[in-house]
Amino acid sequence: GQSLEQPSEVTAVEGAIVQINCTYQTSGFYGLSWYQQHDGGAPTFLSYNGLDGLEETGRFSSFLSRSDSYGYLLLQELQMKDSASYFCAVRDGTGGFKTIFGAGTRLFVKA
Amino acid sequence: DSGVTQTPKHLITATGQRVTLRCSPRSGDLSVYWYQQSLDQGLQFLIQYYNGEERAKGNILERFSAQQFPDLHSELNLSSLELGDSALYFCASSVDQRETEAFFGQGTRLTVV
Repeated sequence: GQSLEQPSEVTAVEGAIVQINCTYQTSGFYGLSWYQQHDGGAPTFLSYNGLDGLEETGRFSSFLSRSDSYGYLLLQELQMKDSASYFCAVRDGTGGFKTIFGAGTRLFVKA
Repeated sequence: DSGVTQTPKHLITATGQRVTLRCSPRSGDLSVYWYQQSLDQGLQFLIQYYNGEERAKGNILERFSAQQFPDLHSELNLSSLELGDSALYFCASSVDQRETEAFFGQGTRLTVV
């Protein structure tokens, strides 16, 4: 089957760095994506890793290790507006491409 | 604004009824995906269409169906509604069928009473 594990909650202070881990189990792994969702809002795409290594986009970076079935999202210089839920999502190519989302990590940024 | 349009934004209906949710993808995107998000839950993939054809199916109930029309807009039909169907329904689109980067609409909040 397919499953993703990510922490349910993370708390950090403004200006700090936080890492949100994601481990996955899937039979036809194609790639790992990260999405941000504010309360009442729509998910917003943050990054995608199809190959091992680090992808950097501004204050956000994402890492993937396919051999470890593991990835993380790194948020630097945290701002209050980063308080949101963050979802990792695995793209599975078995039986047609479909995306499996993790349950989400709720990030609280404190002043 | 992601460029993906969903209507209606809110819908309240009674149990046993049937509703249709509509999605217009971003200009140029051929793939449309439907997701369900219940209260405090993650996103559950329902179904994907690519250029009018069904491409992948997730945990979609038999009471639910979808289609993508020649102009690439999509509709999700929910019938014999139950209280447990109350949720946010998101549509997303991407340029190809691999969904390496998907753009989500603002969602339709369905309340079944």
